[in-house]
Amino acid sequence: ETGVTQSPTHLIKTRGQQVTLRCSSQSGHNTVSWYQQALGQGPQFIFQYYREEENGRGNFPPRFSGLQFPNYSSELNVNALELDDSALYLCASSLDWTGELFFGEGSRLTVL
Amino acid sequence: GNSVTQMEGPVTLSEEAFLTINCTYTATGYPSLFWYVQYPGEGLQLLLKATKADDKGSNKGFEATYRKETTSFHLEKGSVQVSDSAVYFCALSQEDRNSGYALNFGKGTSLLVTP
Repeated sequence: ETGVTQSPTHLIKTRGQQVTLRCSSQSGHNTVSWYQQALGQGPQFIFQYYREEENGRGNFPPRFSGLQFPNYSSELNVNALELDDSALYLCASSLDWTGELFFGEGSRLTVL
Repeated sequence: GNSVTQMEGPVTLSEEAFLTINCTYTATGYPSLFWYVQYPGEGLQLLLKATKADDKGSNKGFEATYRKETTSFHLEKGSVQVSDSAVYFCALSQEDRNSGYALNFGKGTSLLVTP
């Protein structure tokens, strides 16, 4: 059974640029959630996708957007990057929208 | 809104010492409570959970009891090992068809166990 995989693992962008992060969910899971973890902080909920529809959203601006594909993999897009967007972005998949979350190792984004 | 407060680290213990990491929460209704662990270089893993008051979650020698009267979910282990060195996160969730199923995490407590 393949776990949650995320790419890229590390990337560096400059302020104002756009970034796309990718996530492959665990086999059989139809729900993906994204979290932002700033250094020394706990993860903060960005949004959740259930069967290709956004199912819930945290307190993040519209420049944070996402997609879930028919194979249940997902993308997180962030436009107009700001310095404060520097963080570890975590993807988690679950069997359904209330199920136990299985996390990937994350994508570390640095904005200069 | 919902929130979780956990004791600040780092916590340094000798092997075989007793561990307590305090966690208290604020929530409306009846949330589920979790402890997640993040080992160095690895993703977050669910350690244990409890879904209703007085439930005790346990796994790998760790335990936590859902105390509604004190709004607490303290993590305990009787005898820690070097391999328990990690960051521990307390979290709560509530299911809501409008806002989805979001976990609210505490800031994490770093544990270092020395031989």
